[in-house]
Amino acid sequence: DTAVSQTPKYLVTQMGNDKSIKCEQNLGHDTMYWYKQDSKKFLKIMFSYNNKELIINETVPNRFSPKSPDKAHLNLHINSLELGDSAVYFCASSQAAADTQYFGPGTRLTVL
Amino acid sequence: EDQVTQSPEALRLQEGESSSLNCSYTVSGLRGLFWYRQDPGKGPEFLFTLYSAGEEKEKERLKATLTKKESFLHITAPKPEDSATYLCAVRGSGNTGKLIFGQGTTLQVKP
Repeated sequence: DTAVSQTPKYLVTQMGNDKSIKCEQNLGHDTMYWYKQDSKKFLKIMFSYNNKELIINETVPNRFSPKSPDKAHLNLHINSLELGDSAVYFCASSQAAADTQYFGPGTRLTVL
Repeated sequence: EDQVTQSPEALRLQEGESSSLNCSYTVSGLRGLFWYRQDPGKGPEFLFTLYSAGEEKEKERLKATLTKKESFLHITAPKPEDSATYLCAVRGSGNTGKLIFGQGTTLQVKP
């Protein structure tokens, strides 16, 4: 009965590859988010979707592209991976944009 | 620009030794200050939301308070299982739900 789930948990890949991270929430929430947590544990918002509409698009490289097939899913696709993309990526969801956000378990991405 | 600063970065306590964590913020039009707990290898777990100065919330050994410039997370008689990183975040004006996080305080409680 996991609320916000992400796959995979760990992702190790070579520079230049393309990879995707999937996120699903079963809370019935309307809004979903992607955050990046760097090695110093600093969490920074990347994207947010509300009912499949992009509402937050922070300054991230164009290589990152979120996709929301429905309001329960928000995937993150990353093209041409770079060493600096290594981090933990968290998905979160909230009932509405103004409500409390609940986080998934994270995906640790390591780019070699 | 909205900003959140947490102090100290790390805190070591003996079991039963009460203390406080600080979260200083600057935000245009505060629409919520949030406290989360993060265990190693896991996602942040929601603890509290505070909306206005003077507001307080409690949960077990934790109590969060809010002023116009900062929030405190008071930990009373902590236990080893309270060891974690505590994250503070603010949401400012606008309706996007964007949270600005501090860098966290890593708490270690020794038995």
